[in-house]
Amino acid sequence: DTAVSQTPKYLVTQMGNDKSIKCEQNLGHDTMYWYKQDSKKFLKIMFSYNNKELIINETVPNRFSPKSPDKAHLNLHINSLELGDSAVYFCASSRLLAGATDTQYFGPGTRLTVL
Amino acid sequence: KNEVEQSPQNLTAQEGEFITINCSYSVGISALHWLQQHPGGGIVSLFMLSSGKKKHGRLIATINIQEKHSSLHITASHPRDSAVYICAVPTLGGSQGNLIFGKGTKLSVKP
Repeated sequence: DTAVSQTPKYLVTQMGNDKSIKCEQNLGHDTMYWYKQDSKKFLKIMFSYNNKELIINETVPNRFSPKSPDKAHLNLHINSLELGDSAVYFCASSRLLAGATDTQYFGPGTRLTVL
Repeated sequence: KNEVEQSPQNLTAQEGEFITINCSYSVGISALHWLQQHPGGGIVSLFMLSSGKKKHGRLIATINIQEKHSSLHITASHPRDSAVYICAVPTLGGSQGNLIFGKGTKLSVKP
């Protein structure tokens, strides 16, 4: 059983479109994250959610809107896609709120390509 | 805010060699993470450590809190160890903030 799953694995779309990436974890964790890995392979936190509540929003454009319908799911909706949004997006989860001092479990990533 | 430096950026080794990857950070922390990113893209947490040393199979991670430095060692390296190894620490030091990641060390082990 996959602990943290993401769909889709690949997403190719035109500039200006709106798209969503879904994430689910079956670990019973309280905290979930979205990370962006750019073309230089540099990982950066975007959001973290604890029990469906937004904890951290790291200066991400408001075109990005996370939605957590329950604590096992954290979806990422992106409006008006831009070329610079092309990246690999990783979802992750951790048991505790203090993700910096707790092991994080990563999803397989979603490679988004904006044309 | 914490800053993380990893070295080397790229590393090529022959199978069987002993590998060392280094990570330095600027603000005192309560825990440091080592992650492995496979060529296929998946990310796995290898270690989280706050002091001393941890060992898992052929992988050993050490941390020196006073010197703000950690090393990841791989003994008897194998081609399947080829991956990017990433160090991460709390953004704000201590246990505060989220994780900030190093730029990674790309390891290639040749048979």
